[in-house]
Amino acid sequence: GENVEQHPSTLSVQEGDSAVIKCTYSDSASNYFPWYKQELGKRPQLIIDIRSNVGEKKDQRIAVTLNKTAKHFSLHITETQPEDSAVYFCAATYPGQNFVFGPGTRLSVLP
Amino acid sequence: DTEVTQTPKHLVMGMTNKKSLKCEQHMGHRAMYWYKQKAKKPPELMFVYSYEKLSINESVPSRFSPECPNSSLLNLHLHALQPEDSALYLCASSQDTTGGNYGYTFGSGTRLTVV
Repeated sequence: GENVEQHPSTLSVQEGDSAVIKCTYSDSASNYFPWYKQELGKRPQLIIDIRSNVGEKKDQRIAVTLNKTAKHFSLHITETQPEDSAVYFCAATYPGQNFVFGPGTRLSVLP
Repeated sequence: DTEVTQTPKHLVMGMTNKKSLKCEQHMGHRAMYWYKQKAKKPPELMFVYSYEKLSINESVPSRFSPECPNSSLLNLHLHALQPEDSALYLCASSQDTTGGNYGYTFGSGTRLTVV
């Protein structure tokens, strides 16, 4: 079955700097890769996703890149702000397979 | 309506109590899920309903009993829980029946404490 690893487990950056979180997956059949942000005490919220037929996707300060050959995908946040502080979960899946989440990255943006 | 609504938001129950968690969505999604989330961990899948039929039960103890009365509602009945069952219980829905090609929409969760 699918296995998703995520690094780093914690990340601290200065406000305005960039943050990068990387996930690797094991099943080459996976073709959909969402990223969820979960603020303390709140629900996970989908912030961006990418499908296997696309190498990069961007939405304002957030971008995701996918390397199918290496089986890894990354979340990039530019010009970080204090409200970006949260736990970020990546996931991988394919039709017929429910989401397999990574263990999460706790991002702290320091003022 | 683009939300998944869960009630109650908080629940404290004794080990001999019976309680139910409720989840509702009006997005026309045909797949609904129950997840359990412990602190500092990712959500852990418990049950999947596809077109109101239970399609996946991830070896969850029988003290958790799911029910899907219709395509918009999902319940989780709780009985004789243990303190280790204390967690955030999240409901989610997705357009695709397997959740494989579309993102989930999560509810705000029920924070359950078993005493």
